[in-house]
Amino acid sequence: KAGVTQTPRYLIKTRGQQVTLSCSPISGHRSVSWYQQTPGQGLQFLFEYFSETQRNKGNFPGRFSGRQFSNSRSEMNVSTLELGDSALYLCASSLETGQETQYFGPGTRLLVL
Amino acid sequence: DQQVKQNSPSLSVQEGRISILNCDYTNSMFDYFLWYKKYPAEGPTFLISISSIKDKNEDGRFTVFLNKSAKHLSLHIVPSQPGDSAVYFCAAIMVGGSEKLVFGKGTKLTVNP
Repeated sequence: KAGVTQTPRYLIKTRGQQVTLSCSPISGHRSVSWYQQTPGQGLQFLFEYFSETQRNKGNFPGRFSGRQFSNSRSEMNVSTLELGDSALYLCASSLETGQETQYFGPGTRLLVL
Repeated sequence: DQQVKQNSPSLSVQEGRISILNCDYTNSMFDYFLWYKKYPAEGPTFLISISSIKDKNEDGRFTVFLNKSAKHLSLHIVPSQPGDSAVYFCAAIMVGGSEKLVFGKGTKLTVNP
């Protein structure tokens, strides 16, 4: 089975712009979670989608949003980018929501200038 | 409030010796714990897990110990190899609940040849 894929792998944006990141889960997986990784904060949960519905949301501002499509693919959008949004954004999939084992993609490294 | 804590940001050991990575948690509702390993520029990969009904789980060179009364778990790697050098994340979840996987900030392990 193919693993979790994320596109693009690298992205450079400027402050004020918006960005959309894409994640394709492992085939058959219905839950997709997004995380932000920064050196100082480690892995922080953004949100989880299951069956096209947001199931959980972390403590991030409303500029961070996401959605999931009927084929379980998910997108994450960040509007009005700030310098502090520079991070590695990781997507993880699991069979069902609340599943303990998640499988991570390689991440999208976003740099905001 | 950090529910999963990895108090050592880094650890350095000699090849062939034991590596012990520690993790503490505060939420007594967690009933499943996982360790992920992350190389630079890659997403985390699942390493080993343990259910709260057990106090030890072993998989090759990797053993996880759980002390529920102390809300503490540890990952032992014996013998350590240079290829084990990575960032190790401890994670916890309430299985079957609507809660998400909660990660510690990670411990960077360096195994010196």
